[in-house]
Amino acid sequence: DAKTTQPTSMDCAEGRAANLPCNHSTISGNEYVYWYRQIHSQGPQYIIHGLKNNETNEMASLIITEDRKSSTLILPHATLRDTAVYYCIVRVAGGNQFYFGTGTSLTVIP
Amino acid sequence: DAMVIQNPRYQVTQFGKPVTLSCSQTLNHNVMYWYQQKSSQAPKLLFHYYDKDFNNEADTPDNFQSRRPNTSFCFLDIRSPGLGDAAMYLCATSRDRPGFTEAFFGQGTRLTVV
Repeated sequence: DAKTTQPTSMDCAEGRAANLPCNHSTISGNEYVYWYRQIHSQGPQYIIHGLKNNETNEMASLIITEDRKSSTLILPHATLRDTAVYYCIVRVAGGNQFYFGTGTSLTVIP
Repeated sequence: DAMVIQNPRYQVTQFGKPVTLSCSQTLNHNVMYWYQQKSSQAPKLLFHYYDKDFNNEADTPDNFQSRRPNTSFCFLDIRSPGLGDAAMYLCATSRDRPGFTEAFFGQGTRLTVV
């Protein structure tokens, strides 16, 4: 079952940073935090993942708190194409299931 | 290049008439998943295959079955579709290995029941 809590929706101005929070207060030491997004009528797309350290790739940055109970996905310069539902997932290393929470619907406003 | 391919993208079936959705992958991943996603909801895991081992979620109705004849293909069978089974069905794959494992999703099949 999903172990994450996210706000239902958020708005962000185009060109600004979008900061999407996720609460995972029951996360275990061997569970990774994954972020996926789903653009309307498409399959979910992997964005980034992390265990303990902050991570950055070409799409986004992931900030994980020291106690690992929450994290924030940062899209540094949001564009209209970033409008999507963003899902935060916790998953045990080597585990097979991916359980989605309710996600955050991000709308980037021109 | 498409890595997880679902056919067809749109499927219309009659109430109570069996329907099969298909998924193929070019990634040689050993784990394959089927998700159901209803309008404005998050994807819900129905079951997954770890190699040939079938793993059903506890709340998946018996009306849903799956087959995996080989590594590349996986099928979702709905024995008697009801109106409540209208949804997007998503197939995904991953490779079981220690540590990080990314799941790759297909574009989904949107099922309409009439």
